[in-house]
Amino acid sequence: SQQGEEDPQALSIQEGENATMNCSYKTSINNLQWYRQNSGRGLVHLILIRSNEREKHSGRLRVTLDTSKKSSSLLITASRAADTASYFCATDARSWNSGNTPLVFGKGTRLSVIA
Amino acid sequence: NAGVTQTPKFQVLKTGQSMTLQCAQDMNHNSMYWYRQDPGMGLRLIYYSASEGTTDKGEVPNGYNVSRLNKREFSLRLESAAPSQTSVYFCASSEGPSSYNEQFFGPGTRLTVL
Repeated sequence: SQQGEEDPQALSIQEGENATMNCSYKTSINNLQWYRQNSGRGLVHLILIRSNEREKHSGRLRVTLDTSKKSSSLLITASRAADTASYFCATDARSWNSGNTPLVFGKGTRLSVIA
Repeated sequence: NAGVTQTPKFQVLKTGQSMTLQCAQDMNHNSMYWYRQDPGMGLRLIYYSASEGTTDKGEVPNGYNVSRLNKREFSLRLESAAPSQTSVYFCASSEGPSSYNEQFFGPGTRLTVL
């Protein structure tokens, strides 16, 4: 079952605008990761935020985490056409296995950046 | 460094046929994973191997078997393919099984079962 769920399902913006994607999850987590998938390719890791962190930056990416609301957001500033991709959040699934904690991926947000 | 490689890239099977999807990584990672991706469903974990010599079921293991051949290679076998197994299959690897490790993905295998 999906742990994280992204919102919106699809987002279309103009180049130069900011893009915000949200992820909500159901159970307590140790950390949350964001991945990008270009069309027809495998996923690429973007950023990891731990449960005791509230905000993290990497280049034009800003991720926030609100554990009280069980949600995270990914902000891409000054978007470019090359940012067109699907974005997935992934959380650990402590309910499956108390030792190893495989990641559980959401369904993704499809971002289109129009030049 | 090739990263994670998968073969084949595309495959068409008839119902009932069997096949093995191959995955190899050259990053000396301990953990490896098999996912399937269906439209609107995101990625779902089929099986994973936390370390060489161990394998565990994921969310959707029915109809699949896996073999961790050595530290580098992790194969996924469909013994009797069904149309419901039409999907894109991704292999991934990470340094260790902890969810703090980022996963590195292969390019995927697009499988169609007729």
